Amino acid sequence: NAGVTQTPKFRVLKTGQSMTLLCAQDMNHEYMYWYRQDPGMGLRLIHYSVGEGTTAKGEVPDGYNVSRLKKQNFLLGLESAAPSQTSVYFCASRVAGAVTGELFFGEGSRLTVL
Amino acid sequence: KNEVEQSPQNLTAQEGEFITINCSYSVGISALHWLQQHPGGGIVSLFMLSSGKKKHGRLIATINIQEKHSSLHITASHPRDSAVYICAVRYQGDKIIFGKGTRLHILP
Repeated sequence: NAGVTQTPKFRVLKTGQSMTLLCAQDMNHEYMYWYRQDPGMGLRLIHYSVGEGTTAKGEVPDGYNVSRLKKQNFLLGLESAAPSQTSVYFCASRVAGAVTGELFFGEGSRLTVL
Repeated sequence: KNEVEQSPQNLTAQEGEFITINCSYSVGISALHWLQQHPGGGIVSLFMLSSGKKKHGRLIATINIQEKHSSLHITASHPRDSAVYICAVRYQGDKIIFGKGTRLHILP
């Protein structure tokens, strides 16, 4: 099993450009998350999804959009990139349930916006 | 205000020392996660616990729900344990809050 796979792993954008990060998981997990990690701060939740066709805003959703058309894929879009969106982005997934549900993370995607 | 506080923020120790990293939180939780992140690397789940204690190899995680506190212990520490250790708590079903992490450096 590949687990959680993020593509691309590195990207440089100019201000105003758009791009999409893809997160794919092969574990049949219901829950998927997009986080950003910045120096000196904990992981912050951008958007999340509790199942196919559903998405919800997290702590820092502005400037991002997401879609979960298939259970295994969770896409994060930047419509008009800004330098403040320079960060490392992590996708995570887990099964539903309060007692179960270990988090599985992708390897991260480093995005630089010039 | 971060609702998950870790201490210490940074820790340097000699190989072989017993390591303790603490995590305190302020919300009612359904589960607590301990995660490990090596420099430039991905994030790996070490433990998920909702009560008591779990052990995996040289790593031990404990949680006291009443005191809203968890500890991660490393016995016989080794340079390969050098990493950032992150505490995260799950609450209100779907939500997860992360601590800022504890940077551990084990000297040979």
